[in-house]
Amino acid sequence: DTAVSQTPKYLVTQMGNDKSIKCEQNLGHDTMYWYKQDSKKFLKIMFSYNNKELIINETVPNRFSPKSPDKAHLNLHINSLELGDSAVYFCASKSDFSYEQYFGPGTRLTVT
Amino acid sequence: QKEVEQDPGPLSVPEGAIVSLNCTYSNSAFQYFMWYRQYSRKGPELLMYTYSSGNKEDGRFTAQVDKSSKYISLFIRDSQPSDSATYLCAMKKGLTGGGNKLTFGTGTQLKVEL
Repeated sequence: DTAVSQTPKYLVTQMGNDKSIKCEQNLGHDTMYWYKQDSKKFLKIMFSYNNKELIINETVPNRFSPKSPDKAHLNLHINSLELGDSAVYFCASKSDFSYEQYFGPGTRLTVT
Repeated sequence: QKEVEQDPGPLSVPEGAIVSLNCTYSNSAFQYFMWYRQYSRKGPELLMYTYSSGNKEDGRFTAQVDKSSKYISLFIRDSQPSDSATYLCAMKKGLTGGGNKLTFGTGTQLKVEL
């Protein structure tokens, strides 16, 4: 009964490839997020969706495109992967009536 | 310079010690302050949440916010080996829209030794 789940957990790929990471939450939350955590543990928000509507879009290369097919899902597609994209990507969700964000287990992306 | 600064550590303490973790920030618009704990290879989990200045206590954990100094702290009493993790401070300006965006510190790695 995982609250926020991500697939895959690990992703190793070559430069130039296109890849997707999927996120699902079964908490009934309204807002979902994508974060990037670099090798120094710095966690930075990338995108946020509320009820399938994009509300936060940080300064992220447009090779990154989020998609929210419904309230429970937020996917991240990355085109033309670069070495600097190597990081752990976390999905999170939050209810509109609460302050707490619930994080998924992370997807460790390695670009070679 | 980052909006939120946090000493990355690592910080190593003996079991039972009182731990003090701190963050400073530059943007006075931050109103809501949080501490997250992140175990190795896991997602962050919320530990403490405070609004504006003041103290909040929850078991062995106390969060302190001093908005005049732009300084927040997390104290852990009677530290346990299970407290070994990375502690991330986080803050945001509001509750809706773009203000609801969390800005994180870089995290402090804590190790509590037997």
